[in-house]
Amino acid sequence: SQQGEEDPQALSIQEGENATMNCSYKTSINNLQWYRQNSGRGLVHLILIRSNEREKHSGRLRVTLDTSKKSSSLLITASRAADTASYFCATDLTGNTGKLIFGQGTTLQVKP
Amino acid sequence: GAVVSQHPSWVICKSGTSVKIECRSLDFQATTMFWYRQFPKQSLMLMATSNEGSKATYEQGVEKDKFLINHASLTLSTLTVTSAHPEDSSFYICSASGGRLYNEQFFGPGTRLTVL
Repeated sequence: SQQGEEDPQALSIQEGENATMNCSYKTSINNLQWYRQNSGRGLVHLILIRSNEREKHSGRLRVTLDTSKKSSSLLITASRAADTASYFCATDLTGNTGKLIFGQGTTLQVKP
Repeated sequence: GAVVSQHPSWVICKSGTSVKIECRSLDFQATTMFWYRQFPKQSLMLMATSNEGSKATYEQGVEKDKFLINHASLTLSTLTVTSAHPEDSSFYICSASGGRLYNEQFFGPGTRLTVL
């Protein structure tokens, strides 16, 4: 069954604005990952944050992780029209199964 | 590096036929491959995990006799949808991990299956 819930389900912003997406999960994790998916395409790995990390940056992306609240957020700064896509968080559960459990996803639309 | 391919990228078949989807790791040895299914506007649902040379482990609710998975080599896993029906129409995505890349999964581009 799905582990994560994401909010908002859909987000529409203007180019240049920041976009924040949130992900919550239920059980302990090894790491949490964020992916992007353009419509009808495969997944693009964005960033991985380990359970002992609290914040990570990659270019215009900033990810935070709060294991006490079992939640993570993805911030995209200075958004561009090309950022329009669906964004998913995925958790690698403790136990080293290697399986990823995906959240429901957030559909982001960036208007030019 | 860490490229995963899928073939075909899309397939249309008649109800009752079987369809085979291939997943290949092009530049690393994938000891583990995962198969996901994604319905329109939904998230990815893990179907099964396959380790090279052993039987696949299916998630609850996934029929192993309907979705046959073979992982015969370190670079190839196949998913066969047997006796396909319209409700099997979906986007099937594989991912692979292995070797020094054991900690990450690398995703294929997906296969769009439409069953008429």
